[in-house]
Amino acid sequence: GAGVSQTPSNKVTEKGKYVELRCDPISGHTALYWYRQSLGQGPEFLIYFQGTGAADDSGLPNDRFFAVRPEGSVSTLKIQRTERGDSAVYLCASSSGQSRLDEQYFGPGTRLTVT
Amino acid sequence: QKEVEQNSGPLSVPEGAIASLNCTYSDRVSQSFFWYRQYSGKSPELIMSIYSNGDKEDGRFTAQLNKASQYVSLLIRDSQPSDSATYLCAVKGTGGFKTIFGAGTRLFVKA
Repeated sequence: GAGVSQTPSNKVTEKGKYVELRCDPISGHTALYWYRQSLGQGPEFLIYFQGTGAADDSGLPNDRFFAVRPEGSVSTLKIQRTERGDSAVYLCASSSGQSRLDEQYFGPGTRLTVT
Repeated sequence: QKEVEQNSGPLSVPEGAIASLNCTYSDRVSQSFFWYRQYSGKSPELIMSIYSNGDKEDGRFTAQLNKASQYVSLLIRDSQPSDSATYLCAVKGTGGFKTIFGAGTRLFVKA
């Protein structure tokens, strides 16, 4: 079946603007994760959803970042008043959310560049 | 101390050799462990997962977990040039699904 999809693949925005990044998880996966990855680093956890609710948002760096998953499927990561330091690849992953291992499968990512 | 530590490499091995990638973690109650492969410009791809002490084999890959030593490793047998990538170790603790990744080890397999 289809894997995790993310749109857009690339986003260039000016400092101070608002952006939305979308993630469509694997069908049937109840768990959804957002990560941010900078060059030379591993993915950095941002937020985890189980169903519609954010079960763990401890990785969101500040209140400019917000994510929703209103119907328990597609999720949107929203960044207000973007800063140049927000430039990174934003990765989404999904999992069944039901096993001890809870293997996560990643989408292709959105490369965000803030100028 | 980082929560998940990996040698950044690069680790260079000849084609056909065994590549050994190592990872240590700080949270003693961590429960699940994962290895991902990431090619340049691509997203991470799951290779192996393990949660019990000992070895788990899948084709040319073997994951090894030692919870007492807080150590997890990945062995790649008969390494191929196509295995050249960054390998990410990821650790998940108890009480939730937050996953912590290491910075990755770059592997080069020389033809």
